[in-house]
Amino acid sequence: GAVVSQHPSWVICKSGTSVKIECRSLDFQATTMFWYRQFPKQSLMLMATSNEGSKATYEQGVEKDKFLINHASLTLSTLTVTSAHPEDSSFYICSARRQASGNTIYFGEGSWLTVV
Amino acid sequence: DAKTTQPTSMDCAEGRAANLPCNHSTISGNEYVYWYRQIHSQGPQYIIHGLKNNETNEMASLIITEDRKSSTLILPHATLRDTAVYYCIALDGGSQGNLIFGKGTKLSVKP
Repeated sequence: GAVVSQHPSWVICKSGTSVKIECRSLDFQATTMFWYRQFPKQSLMLMATSNEGSKATYEQGVEKDKFLINHASLTLSTLTVTSAHPEDSSFYICSARRQASGNTIYFGEGSWLTVV
Repeated sequence: DAKTTQPTSMDCAEGRAANLPCNHSTISGNEYVYWYRQIHSQGPQYIIHGLKNNETNEMASLIITEDRKSSTLILPHATLRDTAVYYCIALDGGSQGNLIFGKGTKLSVKP
């Protein structure tokens, strides 16, 4: 069964509004989670590394003020897309490192965001 | 982390073994070889990983060459549901590094 869960699976929002996506590690604690974005027919692109209790580390070219990441607990990281625009429409995927499984990284089901 | 090279696409007949190659000629001693797959519109699914020895689990087998410069993921009896993009990634097992995805291999299992 799934060890990492994302919510919502899909969301439609109006341009200019903000939307929050949650990523939860199930039955394990994750000090490190990762957020990816994937456009159609492309590979996953790492956006940021989410560290519990500290600021996220963003990849080059990813606006930290637009994509707010909060990792307030060892089982939950959230990604908030602020002032969303149609070009932010994408498939957003989170993952979490499970140290008990030899540091294996498990992925959530992904969240489809459509900005209209 | 070492770069990996995979064929863009492969076909496999249903019920036959699917052998997916991966080259990682610059892999370092601490780097594991991880395999994930992504079925359309879903998050990547962990398959298997290994360091030196061959590994097998309920999903697949991983064969790593003795020099560790290449590996092969084997799906012993491919089904239509195994159609997906398969990613081979080298990652330092002791680090807190992340998974960097290349383009992977698009495996098409045909009836």
